[in-house]
Amino acid sequence: SQQGEEDPQALSIQEGENATMNCSYKTSINNLQWYRQNSGRGLVHLILIRSNEREKHSGRLRVTLDTSKKSSSLLITASRAADTASYFCATWAGSYQLTFGKGTKLSVIP
Amino acid sequence: DAGVIQSPRHEVTEMGQEVTLRCKPISGHNSLFWYRQTMMRGLELLIYFNNNVPIDDSGMPEDRFSAKMPNASFSTLKIQPSEPRDSAVYFCASSPGQGKELFFGEGSRLTVL
Repeated sequence: SQQGEEDPQALSIQEGENATMNCSYKTSINNLQWYRQNSGRGLVHLILIRSNEREKHSGRLRVTLDTSKKSSSLLITASRAADTASYFCATWAGSYQLTFGKGTKLSVIP
Repeated sequence: DAGVIQSPRHEVTEMGQEVTLRCKPISGHNSLFWYRQTMMRGLELLIYFNNNVPIDDSGMPEDRFSAKMPNASFSTLKIQPSEPRDSAVYFCASSPGQGKELFFGEGSRLTVL
């Protein structure tokens, strides 16, 4: 079953702009992870945020987590054409399973 | 490390044929997952192995699907007989432990005619 749901489904921006993607989930979690998938490739882990953390940074990526609203956002600053990809959130609720959403397709126009 | 290695990258076969997909996880990772990705259903977990033992295969669509992990460095996903609705990209992923990041292979794109 899909726990995380990303929003929007698709996003198109100009190079240099910021891109924000959101993820909502239904049950309590231990951590939330974001992955990127380039066309025709496997998923690549970007960042993990634990349930007791509110914000995390990694380079041009900023992730926030609001456990009261059961939501997370991924911000990519100063986007580049190479950021064009699908982005997935995945939640871990304490068992073995990491549950993925259906992703946001980001297009960065040069 | 070479990462998770999957083969074949592409497979085209006819309905009724047997398909075997292969995966070599990252050395030292004790968790291995098989996922299937389609446009309609997104990423679905098929089966999870921990220390080479299948823990949950509830995501395996039906008896036509089977998976094995004979040792820590090799796993297979077999479909017999294959059907057109099995067409998808199949991913193998490994992880150093529960709740930690998954490392995905590049996937095996299966087309069943």
